[in-house]
Amino acid sequence: EVQLLQSGGGLVQPGGSLRLSCVASGFTFRNYAMTWVRQAPGKGLEWVSTVRGSASATFYADSVKGRFTISRDNSRNSLSLQMTSLRPEDAAIYFCVKDSSPTAVAGSYDFWGQGTLVAVSS
Amino acid sequence: DIEMTQSPSSLSASVGDRITITCRASQTIADHLNWYQQKPGKAPKPLIYAASSLQSGVPSRFSGSGSGTDFALTIDSLQAEDFATYYCQQSVSTPLTFGGGTKVEIK
Repeated sequence: EVQLLQSGGGLVQPGGSLRLSCVASGFTFRNYAMTWVRQAPGKGLEWVSTVRGSASATFYADSVKGRFTISRDNSRNSLSLQMTSLRPEDAAIYFCVKDSSPTAVAGSYDFWGQGTLVAVSS
Repeated sequence: DIEMTQSPSSLSASVGDRITITCRASQTIADHLNWYQQKPGKAPKPLIYAASSLQSGVPSRFSGSGSGTDFALTIDSLQAEDFATYYCQQSVSTPLTFGGGTKVEIK
């Protein structure tokens, strides 16, 4: 059974930093691209960042580029999102998401973590 | 960036109804279109990938169609558990983008 267990999140002041983590199980983690998707309160879904299975390439939304860093540790089946210079508009539920294709970055997501809340406020 | 436009933004329907939600891409995306269902307080659930392929375990009353720029999600014989918000998403290029969502409510 595929599981994506998220941790991290919480309340941080504007300009602060936070690290989100996601531990995966039930599939061969290194074979799949992983993604972070966020959802601001009462709003729609927004793609944030993707990392290839091999960690050879990363992709970012313009809204977070230069401030957020996605990384993975395939030996620990873990995915992380380091967020710095946080802004009020970064406040959202962040979901760890598994890509559906084992061979390419399909951009289609077949399993989602439970989500973790990030609040940015002074 | 590819903009995804869903319509309607909300609709009211009754159990047993057949409903259709449409999604339009601002440029052609072939069949790189996915649909998700989200209930309040929960993570999105994948329904359809590649425009018309059903994810494992999704009931056959859900179907997807379209290619290029115009797509549709149809639910035949709406069930109580289908009342939720539905999102389309293009997966042809980054930034991957979602539609604004369609909330399906009970009439």
